[in-house]
Formats: sequence, C-alpha cells, structure tokens
Amino acid sequence: DVKVTQSSRYLVKRTGEKVFLECVQDMDHENMFWYRQDPGLGLRLIYFSYDVKMKEKGDIPEGYSVSREKKERFSLILESASTNQTSMYLCASLENTEAFFGQGTRLTVV
Amino acid sequence: EDKVVQSPLSLVVHEGDTVTLNCSYEVTNFRSLLWYKQEKKAPTFLFMLTSSGIEKKSGRLSSILDKKELSSILNITATQTGDSAIYLCVEFQGAQKLVFGQGTRLTINP
Repeated sequence: DVKVTQSSRYLVKRTGEKVFLECVQDMDHENMFWYRQDPGLGLRLIYFSYDVKMKEKGDIPEGYSVSREKKERFSLILESASTNQTSMYLCASLENTEAFFGQGTRLTVV
Repeated sequence: EDKVVQSPLSLVVHEGDTVTLNCSYEVTNFRSLLWYKQEKKAPTFLFMLTSSGIEKKSGRLSSILDKKELSSILNITATQTGDSAIYLCVEFQGAQKLVFGQGTRLTINP
C-alpha cells in the first residue's frame, strides 16, 4: 500500500513563528502536492512539485514556500505564520491518475 | 478558468434513503474524473471515470460520467450512517494537475 505520511496531526503555533509541515511518501512518486482545506472552499492547491528541487505555485501560494530536496519528502513552510493560515493541510502524492493523501495536519495559529 | 462544481454542497437524509451527488466540470484538457470519500482524515479513493456512459460500481455506490453534459453523478443506495462524509469530485488534467470541487457534505441520520 502506498503510504503518504504527514509529520503531525495537530499543531498549534503562534503568530510570526516559522512552521514546517513535512510530508513523506514511500512509493517513489514524482508528483507531490500541498493543499489547504477550508469549509465551503474545498481543497485549494498551494504548491506542487514534479521532481526533486522542482516546484510550481498553485492557486494560493502567498505566505508559503516549499522544499523538495529528496524525492520522498515534500515540505511546506510558513515563513511567518498568521491567523488566516489556520486550516487543515493535506499532502498528496500522484501516480498516473490516482492521488494518495496524507492524514492531514490541522494547524491552528494563535 | 478550469472549474469543478459539486451540488448540493450539503445533504441530510435518513438511513435507507438513496442519494445522488452531482459534479460538473469545465476544463480545457479533460483526462479523467475521480471521486473520493473524506471522513475525518485523508480522502479515500472511490472511482476513476474516463469513458462516458460506463457505470462503475462498488457495493452500494455507483458512478457514471457523461462527457456530453460534462458531468458525473455518484449514487449511494440504502444509505447507512457510515456513509456520512464529504464526497469530493476531482478532475485530473494530466501534467500533475488536479482540480477539486468544493465537496458535498453528506449526513445520514439514523
């Protein structure tokens, strides 16, 4: 079974903190994605990566950056967390036409 | 702009009822349509639809794609409380792109 693992299920951070959300997949997939999910807005793409060290902005990249130093790991970085970044963050790994999701990280910024 | 629209956004029914969830899409480079069920954590894969008019079935769930109408439906018969979830419709466009609908929140009351 493909596994996509996010490092934390729940996180509480203070405004202005630098936050790292880690995602690891074990199936050698090239394509990885970071989404945030908010009620009424569905999943919105923040960034995606199609290879090591390659990244593309999604629909809402402002306030975020990413890192893909190794194929299996895709990190989402909030340089200076703000309260409007309180959300559920989902990582996904894509092979052919099927996406595999991590369990999600619920981030609260206070 | 590529778009996937689901309806209704929210649905409450009684156990045993049959429900139909709708998904319509406007995309420039259609490849396939995916349905996911999301309970408390990661979305889980239900169906992938590529060809028009061919019904995919899994137990009480079934889905079909209509490329002429640019739409898909997900049917659930004899609903159970365990069917309560958010159902996501996702269009896969190739080139590492997924377009998500807003989701339909289905609640099954005993």
